[in-house]
Amino acid sequence: NAGVTQTPKFQVLKTGQSMTLQCAQDMNHNSMYWYRQDPGMGLRLIYYSASEGTTDKGEVPNGYNVSRLNKREFSLRLESAAPSQTSVYFCASSHRLAGVGEQFFGPGTRLTVL
Amino acid sequence: AQTVTQSQPEMSVQEAETVTLSCTYDTSESDYYLFWYKQPPSRQMILVIRQEAYKQQNATENRFSVNFQKAAKSFSLKISDSQLGDAAMYFCAYQSGGGADGLTFGKGTHLIIQP
Repeated sequence: NAGVTQTPKFQVLKTGQSMTLQCAQDMNHNSMYWYRQDPGMGLRLIYYSASEGTTDKGEVPNGYNVSRLNKREFSLRLESAAPSQTSVYFCASSHRLAGVGEQFFGPGTRLTVL
Repeated sequence: AQTVTQSQPEMSVQEAETVTLSCTYDTSESDYYLFWYKQPPSRQMILVIRQEAYKQQNATENRFSVNFQKAAKSFSLKISDSQLGDAAMYFCAYQSGGGADGLTFGKGTHLIIQP
């Protein structure tokens, strides 16, 4: 049982390049999330998917797109990377549809945009 | 929108002593959940403890307990018998009771354990 996995672990991009961060979970969870963590800040929600086939914006969605490929996978795409998107990105999943549901986090992806 | 405030950027405690980390939040909702997450240097996010707002009883998990004051919108974490492995960033987080919204995090408290 791998939990939540993210690829890649590290990435360096040049301004204007595009890339997709991959996330997968094997816990049969309904909901999946993407967060970013900047120095001195807590995690901030970028996008989430309450269930397969749905996605919604979070607090900081500008510059990102997401795809809920199936129940297991939720990808985050940067179409034209900017230095302001340098951050650590975390994917999380939860069984929650209603009521409390612990979010399980992946190990994170450290992204640097030059 | 909900906000979560952690007013202590850094705390230090002697090994085996007790430390309390503060968290306040602002919400107009009556149904919500509160969490404390630990982030060690490995940066893995680990759930420490959670509290349902409708429960009056404070949650406890071994050496970790919370003081939940709903009227004051306060949710502090007490760590008893501090251990070197408790050294980490600690984040307080809020989640709405309805739907599958994400978590709203505070900025974190860096906990240092002095041997």
